[in-house]
Amino acid sequence: GAVVSQHPSRVICKSGTSVKIECRSLDFQATTMFWYRQFPKQSLMLMATSNEGSKATYEQGVEKDKFLINHASLTLSTLTVTSAHPEDSSFYICSASTGVHEQYFGPGTRLTVT
Amino acid sequence: GNSVTQMEGPVTLSEEAFLTINCTYTATGYPSLFWYVQYPGEGLQLLLKATKADDKGSNKGFEATYRKETTSFHLEKGSVQVSDSAVYFCALSPSSGSGSRLTFGEGTQLTVNP
Repeated sequence: GAVVSQHPSRVICKSGTSVKIECRSLDFQATTMFWYRQFPKQSLMLMATSNEGSKATYEQGVEKDKFLINHASLTLSTLTVTSAHPEDSSFYICSASTGVHEQYFGPGTRLTVT
Repeated sequence: GNSVTQMEGPVTLSEEAFLTINCTYTATGYPSLFWYVQYPGEGLQLLLKATKADDKGSNKGFEATYRKETTSFHLEKGSVQVSDSAVYFCALSPSSGSGSRLTFGEGTQLTVNP
């Protein structure tokens, strides 16, 4: 149980286009979802926290107009990178939580912007 | 604010060697402490956790004890295997579980050679 999926696992897009990453909790309802960014050989940087049905809370320094987060249901959150540029290339990881007890991580999405 | 500091990597060991990865933290109150493992190209998996002082988390031969007096949560394994090669992250949560935001250490790359 407690499986979180991400789609796609890898995506390559051209500079200036937008790309959407989906995060799904497959067998539980997630009241909160987190989005992280991970640079090579570095730790995870929390980008934003989203609660179902409400606006996401972004961390300082993260552009909310560039990284659009939608948490439309208790099993789905999406991250849209708008007008992507090569510096947005990274590994994006989502996680889902049912409350305070546990946070389950997705397998990650490798984004490459050419 | 909360912070987690891990020993610098990378760490390279021979199979069956003893492993210690140091982790110290700074936090107010009584945080929960976690070790996560990330295999190449994948998301994070919870390895073990401890929610109060003197608790010992254990899983797959790995152990860590929550030491409030030294604010530490060092990861140990008596005999590592090649399959343990991965990046290990120490993390803390302000609540009793990991469902609320996590603060991660920098990660320690472990390579085990046959």
